[in-house]
Parts: sequence; C-alpha cells; structure tokens
Amino acid sequence: DVKVTQSSRYLVKRTGEKVFLECVQDMDHENMFWYRQDPGLGLRLIYFSYDVKMKEKGDIPEGYSVSREKKERFSLILESASTNQTSMYLCASSLQTRGNQPQHFGDGTRLSIL
Amino acid sequence: GQSLEQPSEVTAVEGAIVQINCTYQTSGFYGLSWYQQHDGGAPTFLSYNALDGLEETGRFSSFLSRSDSYGYLLLQELQMKDSASYFCAVRGNTGFQKLVFGTGTRLLVSP
Repeated sequence: DVKVTQSSRYLVKRTGEKVFLECVQDMDHENMFWYRQDPGLGLRLIYFSYDVKMKEKGDIPEGYSVSREKKERFSLILESASTNQTSMYLCASSLQTRGNQPQHFGDGTRLSIL
Repeated sequence: GQSLEQPSEVTAVEGAIVQINCTYQTSGFYGLSWYQQHDGGAPTFLSYNALDGLEETGRFSSFLSRSDSYGYLLLQELQMKDSASYFCAVRGNTGFQKLVFGTGTRLLVSP
C-alpha cells in the first residue's frame, strides 16, 4: 500500500512565522500535491510537483511556496503565516502515466495560526 | 476555469440506495473521479469514469454523461460506515494528473 506521511497532525504557529509542512511518500510517485481543505470549500490545490525540483502553481498559491529536492519529499512553506491560513492541509501523491492514476492522501495537518 | 457542483448533504437509512450528483464546467475534460473521506481521515479513491456509462465496484457505482457534463455516485445497501463526505473531481485536458475537486457531499446514514 502507498503510504503518504505528513510530519505533523496538529500544528500551532504565530502570525508572521515561517512555517514548514513536510510530506513524504514511499511509492516512488512522480507527482505530489498540496491542498488545503476548508468547510464548504472542498479541497483546493495550492501547488503540485511532477518531478524533482519541478513545481506548478495550483488554484490558490498566494502566500505559499514549495520545495521538492528529493522525489519522495514535498514541502509546503508559508513564508509569513497569517490567520487566514488556518486550515487543514493535505498532501497527496500519484504516478504520472497517460491513464488515470488515483491520488493517495496523507492524514492531513491541522494548522492554526494565532 | 473549472467548477463542480454537488449537494452539500444527503441523508438516508441503512439498506437504502442513495445517489450523489455532480455537475461540472470545465475548459477540458479527461475524466471524473470520486473520493470518500471519513471525519478526521484522508480522502480515498473510489472510482473513475473517462467514458460515458456506468462503472460498478461492489456496492458503489459511478456514472458519467459527458454530453450533459454530469455524473453521479450510486451507493447501494447502505451501511453505517458509509457515513462520510464524498467528493467528485475532474481532471482537465492536461498532461498532469491534476484534479479540481467539488465542495463535497456529506452523507449521513441512520439506522
């Protein structure tokens, strides 16, 4: 089974801090994704990566950056955390093939910015 | 852009059949997926439709009509453990496995 591990289940940070969320997958997947999930808004894509050092903006990239230095690890960075970034953050990975490949999700990090 | 609409909540009783609808507007279309998420858990993949028609996987089936930009997830013989949120997701016409998710439908199954 694919395992996607997010470094923290719960995290509390202060406004203005630089925050790192880490995600590791163990299935050699090319694609990795970061979403945020808010009530009534579903999952919204922040950034994704299709290869080491490659990244693409999703639908809501403002205030975030990402890093993918190794294939198995994808980091989400909040450059200067703000209260409106309080949310559940979900990481996912998938294979890159011509056909459909399901995304495999981690358990999420519930981030509170005070 | 892409947008998906699904009902916010559906209720049903054990043993019943329930249908969760999803309509989408996309600039390109490469397939409709469904994911299940229990409270506090990770979303998990349920099914995928690229072509029109019905795909069946055990108690769950998923349907797609590309001409109507419409799909649904059908859950039969409902069980209490089916209480969860269900998300439809569209993959646009790109080379990436990138999805746009709907806002989710919360299914409540009662005894």
